[in-house]
Amino acid sequence: DQQVKQNSPSLSVQEGRISILNCDYTNSMFDYFLWYKKYPAEGPTFLISISSIKDKNEDGRFTVFLNKSAKHLSLHIVPSQPGDSAVYFCAGTASKLTFGTGTRLQVTL
Amino acid sequence: DTAVSQTPKYLVTQMGNDKSIKCEQNLGHDTMYWYKQDSKKFLKIMFSYNNKELIINETVPNRFSPKSPDKAHLNLHINSLELGDSAVYFCASSLTVNTEAFFGQGTRLTVV
Repeated sequence: DQQVKQNSPSLSVQEGRISILNCDYTNSMFDYFLWYKKYPAEGPTFLISISSIKDKNEDGRFTVFLNKSAKHLSLHIVPSQPGDSAVYFCAGTASKLTFGTGTRLQVTL
Repeated sequence: DTAVSQTPKYLVTQMGNDKSIKCEQNLGHDTMYWYKQDSKKFLKIMFSYNNKELIINETVPNRFSPKSPDKAHLNLHINSLELGDSAVYFCASSLTVNTEAFFGQGTRLTVV
C-alpha cells in the first residue's frame, strides 16, 4: 500500500524555466510534508517542508504547495539550474516519514 | 564535520554471513532511523529509536537487529545474510519524531 505516490519517474526542464514536481498521498493522518533531494551515492538531503495547516511555503527558489482536499502537493523550482538535477522525494509524516518513489529531474542547458 | 555518518560505505559479503553497519550522529538529535532503499529505489523505514528506545519496527525479518548504545548511535546488525538483503541502507536522525530527518550517505550492501 503506497501511501505517497510520485507518478512521474522523470522530468526534463530547460535551465531558467520552472520545474514542477508532483506528489499525491492517501493517508489523511499526515500532518507534515517534506521534500528531499538526492544525488547519486549520497543520502537524501532535506529541502523544504510544509505543515498541513498551511497551503504554501517558500524558501528562495523553492516553493511547496499543499492542496489537502485533493491530497496533493507540488514542489516548484524557479528558475531551474543545472545543479538542481537530482532525484526528488516527497514524504508525508504522521508518526514516521513515508516516502514516495522519487522523480528524477534533469535540468538541461 | 559530518552530521550523520555511517560505515562502511560499501559492503560486499557472502550469503549466510553476519554483518553490522554503524551509524553515528553529532547533531544532538533524540530520534534515529534505519531506512532501506531497494532495487526499485523505494525508501522504506525499517526501525526508529527515540532516546534509545525502539518506537517503530516495521515488518522486517528478525535477522535484522538494531542496537542503540546511546542517543548518538544506532547500529544495524544483520544475521544470515540473504541475496534479497542487497540494497542501500540509510541511517538518519531527527530532533524529535515528526521533524525533518537528516540522512547519512548510505551503505551499499551486496550479498553474493
